[in-house]
Amino acid sequence: SQTIHQWPATLVQPVGSPLSLECTVEGTSNPNLYWYRQAAGRGLQLLFYSVGIGQISSEVPQNLSASRPQDRQFILSSKKLLLSDSGFYLCAWGVGGETQYFGPGTRLLVL
Amino acid sequence: AQSVTQLGSHVSVSEGALVLLRCNYSSSVPPYLFWYVQYPNQGLQLLLKYTSAATLVKGINDFEAEFKKSETSFHLTKPSAHMSDAAEYFCAVSDRAGGTSYGKLTFGQGTILTVHP
Repeated sequence: SQTIHQWPATLVQPVGSPLSLECTVEGTSNPNLYWYRQAAGRGLQLLFYSVGIGQISSEVPQNLSASRPQDRQFILSSKKLLLSDSGFYLCAWGVGGETQYFGPGTRLLVL
Repeated sequence: AQSVTQLGSHVSVSEGALVLLRCNYSSSVPPYLFWYVQYPNQGLQLLLKYTSAATLVKGINDFEAEFKKSETSFHLTKPSAHMSDAAEYFCAVSDRAGGTSYGKLTFGQGTILTVHP
């Protein structure tokens, strides 16, 4: 069966510090991968998606970037965090453009 | 372009009562539709999905939803609420159009369901 992992589970970072969040998927090959952000009162916002190694599409211009160095690894990064980057970050995977399955999420608080 | 509207950001029911969470969608192509549930500080769990087969879809924990094209709706129901159903529920539509689809989901704003004894 397929599983999706995200770490860390919780992160508190100062403004201006770098960020690296990691997502890995097990039990499937060549999945589509997605990063979402869930901010209080703002629903779920798609940030990036990837259909293959090294292929990244950005949905919203912002302070963040994503990379996919391996087939089942998706990384969300920032060089300098802003207060507005606080939120709950969710990684998801899917195959064939249909259902998406979500990871447990990372809670990020920027102070 | 797609969009999802969930009517009611908060719904409160008594334990044992009918649960009805409303979702209306807009899509330029025949949609795939989904309901997800989120418990506090957890990821989203798939409840059920409509992918152009039967219009009445049954999911986990006795939830079901009916796709009504004429009303562009996909409301979620459960005959008898349980305390453990208290959570936030999200309706979503997928841009599954043709071979270029990457399955991008557009979510509604969510409905928080409260179940009281």
